[in-house]
Amino acid sequence: GENVEQHPSTLSVQEGDSAVIKCTYSDSASNYFPWYKQELGKGPQLIIDIRSNVGEKKDQRIAVTLNKTAKHFSLHITETQPEDSAVYFCAATAANFGNEKLTFGTGTRLTIIP
Amino acid sequence: DTEVTQTPKHLVMGMTNKKSLKCEQHMGHRAMYWYKQKAKKPPELMFVYSYEKLSINESVPSRFSPECPNSSLLNLHLHALQPEDSALYLCASSQGVLRRTPSGNTIYFGEGSWLTVV
Repeated sequence: GENVEQHPSTLSVQEGDSAVIKCTYSDSASNYFPWYKQELGKGPQLIIDIRSNVGEKKDQRIAVTLNKTAKHFSLHITETQPEDSAVYFCAATAANFGNEKLTFGTGTRLTIIP
Repeated sequence: DTEVTQTPKHLVMGMTNKKSLKCEQHMGHRAMYWYKQKAKKPPELMFVYSYEKLSINESVPSRFSPECPNSSLLNLHLHALQPEDSALYLCASSQGVLRRTPSGNTIYFGEGSWLTVV
C-alpha cells in the first residue's frame, strides 16, 4: 500500500517569512495529492491539491510542487500570517473516482511567531 | 458550497450504550467516508460508501456499524465501545462519479464529532 512521509513534524517561522513542508510517497500509481489544514478542534480543510499531470499549482500565498520522478511534493506558504498557524497534512491517493483511499502524512504543526 | 455537516459535535457514552453519529451533505456527492482521528495523529479511513453501497471496510470492528440511508446521509452506529475508541470521528464526501472530472476525487471533510467513551 501507499506510504507517505512528511517533514518536518514541527515548524516555527517569523510572521512574513515563508514556510515549506515536504512529503514523499511510495506508490507510483498515486496521482492525486491534496493538502489539508487542521485548526484546533476542527476538521481538516482542503487548502490546495495537485494532480500528477501538473508540476506546480499556486493559489495566492500557497503553492504546491510535485516531482513525480522523485515521488515528492511540497507545500509552500509565503508571507505567513498568524492565522496560518495550524497542523498541515499532506495526502496521496491513486484517484479512483468513487473509492478514494487517502493516505495521510503524519502532519506538520506550523507556528507563526508574531 | 462545500459543506459536510456532522452531528453531534460532542458525545459522551458509556460502554454499554448505543448511539449514532450523523453526517449530511447536499453537494450531490455520491461517495461518503468515515475517518477516525486520534490526538496528534492523521485521520485513518474506516469506511467508504459509493452510490449508497459499502465499498470499503478497513477491517473495522463490528461495534462500529455504518449506514447510508440515501445519497445525502451517512450514519455511524456505535455499540459496546471501548475507552480506546475515544477519538474525533470525521465524515467526508467526494463527487464519486465514475466519469473523470477535474475535481471528481476532491474530498471534503466535516468538522467532526468528538466521541468520549467512559
